[in-house]
Amino acid sequence: ETGVTQSPTHLIKTRGQQVTLRCSSQSGHNTVSWYQQALGQGPQFIFQYYREEENGRGNFPPRFSGLQFPNYSSELNVNALELDDSALYLCASSITPTGSYEQYFGPGTRLTVT
Amino acid sequence: AQTVTQSQPEMSVQEAETVTLSCTYDTSESDYYLFWYKQPPSRQMILVIRQEAYKQQNATENRFSVNFQKAAKSFSLKISDSQLGDAAMYFCAYRSPQGGSEKLVFGKGMKLTVNP
Repeated sequence: ETGVTQSPTHLIKTRGQQVTLRCSSQSGHNTVSWYQQALGQGPQFIFQYYREEENGRGNFPPRFSGLQFPNYSSELNVNALELDDSALYLCASSITPTGSYEQYFGPGTRLTVT
Repeated sequence: AQTVTQSQPEMSVQEAETVTLSCTYDTSESDYYLFWYKQPPSRQMILVIRQEAYKQQNATENRFSVNFQKAAKSFSLKISDSQLGDAAMYFCAYRSPQGGSEKLVFGKGMKLTVNP
């Protein structure tokens, strides 16, 4: 059983650019959630995808968008990057519907915006 | 909206000793789930333990146990026989079963140091 994987590990971008982060969910998991973790903070929920549709969104602007593919992998896209977008981006997968509500996290992508 | 508070930013413990990490939360819901996650320097969030609010019995997982006080909205984590590998950031998280989204609401975290 493979766990959640994310790519790339690190990324440096310039303000105003666009970035795409990728996530492969754990085997058998059909739901993917994305979180932003600023330095010294807890993760903040960005959005979740289930059956290739957005299934809930946190307090993030529309320039944060995503996709889920038929194999349940997912992308997070951020347009018009700002300095405050510098953070660790975590992807988590889970099974819907489920009674356990457990999410399993990937190792994250460290994004630095200069 | 639900909130999770971890008031202690840092704690330290001697190897083999016991330490308790505190967490409080605010919610108007009666049914929900609470979690403790561990984030070592490798950055990957690892699920430590889970508690369902409808269960009166406190959850335990080997050396990890919780003290869940629903009326007080308190959810502390006890680590027994602390090991060097327990050193990490620990996050308390809340999950509402209501609605379609399975989002987790996290506290700010607490850094645990284990001294040999």
